[in-house]
Amino acid sequence: SYELTQPPSVSVSPGQTARISCSGDALAKKYAYWYQQKSGQAPVLVIYEDNKRPSGIPERLSGSSSGTMATLTISGAQVEDEADYYCYSTDSSDDPLWVFGGGTKLTVL
Amino acid sequence: QVQLVESGGGVVQPGRSLRLSCAASGFTFSSFGMNWVRQAPGKGLEWVAVIWYDGSKKYYADSVKGRFTISRDNSKNTLYLQMNSLRAEDTAVYYCARDVPDYWGQGTLVTVSS
Repeated sequence: SYELTQPPSVSVSPGQTARISCSGDALAKKYAYWYQQKSGQAPVLVIYEDNKRPSGIPERLSGSSSGTMATLTISGAQVEDEADYYCYSTDSSDDPLWVFGGGTKLTVL
Repeated sequence: QVQLVESGGGVVQPGRSLRLSCAASGFTFSSFGMNWVRQAPGKGLEWVAVIWYDGSKKYYADSVKGRFTISRDNSKNTLYLQMNSLRAEDTAVYYCARDVPDYWGQGTLVTVSS
């Protein structure tokens, strides 16, 4: 099996920078994707292919990847950014699996 | 705009079967791969299965392999998930999601309980 590892929680004050990491062996070869999920809602794609932002996603959300780690950065976090964030990727096997990280609860207070 | 609407969820006894459907609109359904993703109550997201745009390839999570079958009818713009031999641990909200995934439905709740 394949796993992506995220910290369970990150906490920042409004206006600070939040960084959420995601580690996995295949991230050196495969793209990372990031999803934001607010309570009771479906997930929303916020970063694709490591560092691209879909239309409508604020510029303060950005992504990067280096080696086996991907990072979601929220610069100048706002109260409305408080949510669960999940990374997502695939392994590099011939019988591929797609996996989500365990999720990170971002608290902005 | 892209719309994905799941249906077919409900309460089912362990060992029984259920079929979920996902009606797609607002895009060319036959051009995109589709996924099922689930979320158990209070837990994280779990990828379940993916099907290629033309149905030629299908992949499953180990937790459902041999019990669940993903399929699609491109003439009806509909995605399916046939779930057999259901277990209590299959209780979750099941989402259909397009491609990456980039668009998600609102989900349908499946509860496996006696």
